[in-house]
Amino acid sequence: GESVGLHLPTLSVQEGDNSIINCAYSNSASDYFIWYKQESGKGPQFIIDIRSNMDKRQGQRVTVLLNKTVKHLSLQIAATQPGDSAVYFCAETQSNTGNQFYFGTGTSLTVIP
Amino acid sequence: GAVVSQHPSRVICKSGTSVKIECRSLDFQATTMFWYRQFPKQSLMLMATSNEGSKATYEQGVEKDKFLINHASLTLSTLTVTSAHPEDSSFYICSAGYRGSPLHFGNGTRLTVT
Repeated sequence: GESVGLHLPTLSVQEGDNSIINCAYSNSASDYFIWYKQESGKGPQFIIDIRSNMDKRQGQRVTVLLNKTVKHLSLQIAATQPGDSAVYFCAETQSNTGNQFYFGTGTSLTVIP
Repeated sequence: GAVVSQHPSRVICKSGTSVKIECRSLDFQATTMFWYRQFPKQSLMLMATSNEGSKATYEQGVEKDKFLINHASLTLSTLTVTSAHPEDSSFYICSAGYRGSPLHFGNGTRLTVT
């Protein structure tokens, strides 16, 4: 695999504030990236994706930034809500070699009401 | 959107027995499915790529004889944990998706080996 599982870093934010979650990816040949949200006891849910020909993509309340130079992704969540509390993972893949996605370490987000 | 169903959601078995986990793509045909393993408070680790009609491709360090994968149809892949031991206790998650598109995940199987 391309990522090593480590214990999750944590982030706590006040409800209504913006959250920024960061991810460093490992393969410079990766060209497609996804942010997933995982709630306890469930599988990951798709949030937003970005391809390597872009450096920013916006969704509803979420924005993903990609910096290929330093192999860094970030997920920005605007006006964070209690329902956003979960673990967030970035995942990377080389789209021309199959659909294997490799996951980053993850960040546990807790929203304080 | 694509739906992936995984069964069972929880299983408890005794050491030395084998456990089969099923993964189904409900509304699309998946020539490829993926099996992940997740320990508590850790990330998802890709175990293997399940290929319809052919052998699975395993990630480095994953024992092929321990984790048997069968992908007999375009909508079903199974993972069998053979001769399970307590260290095999984990959360196993399958996924499927079209190439170049997001993977869709099942809700996982919590395996506990006693």
